[in-house]
Formats: sequence, structure tokens, C-alpha cells
Amino acid sequence: GQQLNQSPQSMFIQEGEDVSMNCTSSSIFNTWLWYKQDPGEGPVLLIALYKAGELTSNGRLTAQFGITRKDSFLNISASIPSDVGIYFCAGPNSGGGADGLTFGKGTHLIIQP
Amino acid sequence: ETGVTQTPRHLVMGMTNKKSLKCEQHLGHNAMYWYKQSAKKPLELMFVYNFKEQTENNSVPSRFSPECPNSSHLFLHLHTLQPEDSALYLCASSRTVYNEQFFGPGTRLTVL
Repeated sequence: GQQLNQSPQSMFIQEGEDVSMNCTSSSIFNTWLWYKQDPGEGPVLLIALYKAGELTSNGRLTAQFGITRKDSFLNISASIPSDVGIYFCAGPNSGGGADGLTFGKGTHLIIQP
Repeated sequence: ETGVTQTPRHLVMGMTNKKSLKCEQHLGHNAMYWYKQSAKKPLELMFVYNFKEQTENNSVPSRFSPECPNSSHLFLHLHTLQPEDSALYLCASSRTVYNEQFFGPGTRLTVL
């Protein structure tokens, strides 16, 4: 089946730093989604990307849909304590979404005081 | 009103118990999903319902039984579970199966 590889697995940063994480796949995806999950809660959709090369922002978050359709990047500028959590990339399964989403294993973001 | 709700938020059950998880979405979506999230593993898709019809059963053991009486409600009936079934169970919905999914807060299930 399709797999999404996220890196890094964990990030330890200082408040105020910028954050970059990425997601790669051996398969082509036509949609890339980025979610954030807080402890004990469900994932919350941050950004959705629908076109290769697309660059989309949501406040301090910026995500890009790679030209090859096999990768995507998420950047967070000027991190704040509430950015702590697990960030997941996801894309529709090969059934065009009819089979649900494939998720990466997540990037754990930890902000040190 | 919260988009996708799940009840209960926490559930502890013995291996011989029968319980049900409930999911309700207030977004007017037509597709609903059950996912399992275990520690240190990616989210695993369990079931997909599209316009109340089950379109995907991702090799889930029969001790998990889904039910979708209408497009707004989804249930997961549990019986004779195993301790390894302990996990966070997440419900999601989307406008169609081709649109982005919105998740509920999950039910933390512990099987003793």
C-alpha cells in the first residue's frame, strides 16, 4: 500500500524559532493534507493542498505541494508554546479518497522554554 | 456547534463486555470513517461509509462491527475485545470521499 514518510520524527526547538518538516512518498498524491493533533484530541486540519507547486498559508503556517507530487513541506514561523503537538501529513488512498486517507507517522514538535 | 462529536470520550471494558462508540457529525457530510490510533503507529483506517453504504472494511476483525443508520451518525459496536485493541478510536467525516476529512476528539478505549 501507499506510505508517507515524515521527517523529522521529533523536533526540539526554542520558542520563536522557525520550524520545517516534510513528507515524502514513493507514490503520487493528488491532494496533500496537514493535520495537527494535541494530546488526547483528534487531528485538526491545518492546510489542504490540491495542485502541484501550490503554496498555501494559514497564519504562521505555510505548506507547499511538491512539483513531483511525491512530497510536501510544512513550515511554522516564530513558534509559540501552543504549537506543541504532533503534525501529520496525509493523502487520499489510491482509490481516490474512497478508501480514506493514508497518514504519515507524524512529527512531534516540542518547544523548550 | 462542534462539527464532529464522539461519545464516550473514555471507556474501560472487560474482554467479555459489549459496548458501542457513537459518532455524530453536524457538517452535512456524506462520508464517515472510523480510524484506530495506537501508540507509536500511524493512524489506521478501519471502515468507510459513503452515503450510509459501507465501502471499505480494512481487514478489521469481526469483533468490531460498524453501523451507519444515516449520514450524520456512525456507531462502532465492540464485543469480546482483546487488550491489544486498547487505543484511541477516531471518527471523521467529509463532504464526499474525495474531500478533506474532519475528525472528532476520539474515544480512549482501554480493554482489561
